[in-house]
Amino acid sequence: EDKVVQSPLSLVVHEGDTVTLNCSYEVTNFRSLLWYKQEKKAPTFLFMLTSSGIEKKSGRLSSILDKKELSSILNITATQTGDSAIYLCAVLLTGTASKLTFGTGTRLQVTL
Amino acid sequence: NAGVMQNPRHLVRRRGQEARLRCSPMKGHSHVYWYRQLPEEGLKFMVYLQKENIIDESGMPKERFSAEFPKEGPSILRIQQVVRGDSAAYFCASLARTRGKGTDTQYFGPGTRLTVL
Repeated sequence: EDKVVQSPLSLVVHEGDTVTLNCSYEVTNFRSLLWYKQEKKAPTFLFMLTSSGIEKKSGRLSSILDKKELSSILNITATQTGDSAIYLCAVLLTGTASKLTFGTGTRLQVTL
Repeated sequence: NAGVMQNPRHLVRRRGQEARLRCSPMKGHSHVYWYRQLPEEGLKFMVYLQKENIIDESGMPKERFSAEFPKEGPSILRIQQVVRGDSAAYFCASLARTRGKGTDTQYFGPGTRLTVL
């Protein structure tokens, strides 16, 4: 069975800290890995990673995929309270009509 | 993702009633996915539809659940004779294909939170 595991499950940091969120996967027919941020509403798309070793950046957020290790990390530098959310990792498989298989998420809380 | 619309945002039903959840994809998108998020769990795929066709319903419970995406109008997820275990957030996602790269990005709506009393 395809599996996506995220760690840690939850994390509390102080504003200004840097955090690293982990996602590992055991799937057949890997195609891409996606990161989403979920606050109280819709999951918001952050990154899609298809190629290994190429970092994607958006402001204070960055992510990279390691296909050899079957994993990805999401880094957030200089965290702010607005970064508090659940961060979801999902894997897209080939030949599956583009449906996503999600991990359970990492709940990040940034305190003052 | 602001373009994907779902309604209602909150829905309360008593056991045995029917729940109808609506999703309007982003303009020009003809691919819709439904996911369910149970409390403290990740999103789980339910069904994938294109206009007038169900492409993959492998995540749908065999009974009481159905989905459609008619030629005109929103996609509908219908749950008959709801039970307490159906209480969850139901998200719809609209597919945007990234040109030239052959990869797909799904954008989510705000979800419908169903509570069954």
